Amino acid sequence: DAKTTQPNSMESNEEEPVHLPCNHSTISGTDYIHWYRQLPSQGPEYVIHGLTSNVNNRMASLAIAEDRKSSTLILHRATLRDAAVYYCILKGDSWGKLQFGAGTQVVVTP
Amino acid sequence: DTAVSQTPKYLVTQMGNDKSIKCEQNLGHDTMYWYKQDSKKFLKIMFSYNNKELIINETVPNRFSPKSPDKAHLNLHINSLELGDSAVYFCASSQAGYGNSPLHFGNGTRLTVT
Repeated sequence: DAKTTQPNSMESNEEEPVHLPCNHSTISGTDYIHWYRQLPSQGPEYVIHGLTSNVNNRMASLAIAEDRKSSTLILHRATLRDAAVYYCILKGDSWGKLQFGAGTQVVVTP
Repeated sequence: DTAVSQTPKYLVTQMGNDKSIKCEQNLGHDTMYWYKQDSKKFLKIMFSYNNKELIINETVPNRFSPKSPDKAHLNLHINSLELGDSAVYFCASSQAGYGNSPLHFGNGTRLTVT
């Protein structure tokens, strides 16, 4: 399974944007890029996913590089509630076998 | 209107006991999963079921036996519990196994084996 590389942690001020990078240089043509986040003492929560084009939803935006070897999750205005571990994961047609890495711990300061 | 619910939320038991964790989803999905999150916080898939059939079994000890009575339920039974089984277990579901179908997770069952 293709792997992803993320920074261990990132810090942001409240109400400022957060850009979370993810490298996935061995991505295959059928792999979707998924992002999940895990708040303390909760299960992972789906954030967004995409294949080739940039995607927006109410939670975040996903910018995908033209060669698909990297992507960036954008939280437009960080709130304290956005403090969580964010996971970038590649998901192919393999019955949802999501391989979680260590993720990026996002710290939001007031 | 919880989408994926697990019971119990906490489970404390002694070594050697047998215990079960239940999972139910009301999203109409046909695929369900069990994940284990250890003390180092890594999430690892254990099992995947599609339409009540086992699809993925990630070399989990056979003391762990999942059972899916219907598409909406996937239970996990653990025999002869060991200290190393202490972890948080997450149930999840998705619509089929396709790359563009997100997983929806429950809030986990924290199992402590003493």
